[in-house]
Amino acid sequence: EPEVTQTPSHQVTQMGQEVILRCVPISNHLYFYWYRQILGQKVEFLVSFYNNEISEKSEIFDDQFSVERPDGSNFTLKIRSTKLEDSAMYFCASTSWLNTEAFFGQGTRLTVV
Amino acid sequence: AQTVTQSQPEMSVQEAETVTLSCTYDTSESNYYLFWYKQPPSRQMILVIRQEAYKQQNATENRFSVNFQKAAKSFSLKISDSQLGDTAMYFCAFMKFDFGNEKLTFGTGTRLTIIP
Repeated sequence: EPEVTQTPSHQVTQMGQEVILRCVPISNHLYFYWYRQILGQKVEFLVSFYNNEISEKSEIFDDQFSVERPDGSNFTLKIRSTKLEDSAMYFCASTSWLNTEAFFGQGTRLTVV
Repeated sequence: AQTVTQSQPEMSVQEAETVTLSCTYDTSESNYYLFWYKQPPSRQMILVIRQEAYKQQNATENRFSVNFQKAAKSFSLKISDSQLGDTAMYFCAFMKFDFGNEKLTFGTGTRLTIIP
């Protein structure tokens, strides 16, 4: 069964450092998303991405965040200068055209120290 | 903007019993989808069941079924013959139909524990 793959599974970084979270969506999917889940809280939408452009971003997705699809397979989330409050589980998801089921990756646990 | 409310932070039930998780939502949209996702301790997000708002018939998936009340904006999940593997966080989620931007809005979750 096709799946969304995220790497790394766990990343520890120092405050102020840049971090890149990587995702490989399902190959024929066209729409890509990043979500965040702070420990014990609900899953929150960060950004949606289609046709090499951001479709929508939430208030959380400020100038410290960026996304790109550099090579047609990977979909990355970059946090330029991490803060302690960026510590969370980050989920990548993808959907295909006219299929509303979002397939989630297994998540990357980001710990900022 | 859409909101999703899950009013039961925690529930527990004996194995083999039936349990119902509640969810209400608020939207002005007419074309949308509703989902229940399961998040076990591994924290993977797993789709349990999906309901299209234009369908009157309630969705079912094996032991899982929903009670979708569109006018009341209610979307509850019933788990029959509960099993130990059902122990997890359950999130209700709303998706507006919008090409290229079908983001999910999640509720705060219900932690379900199945007691042996």
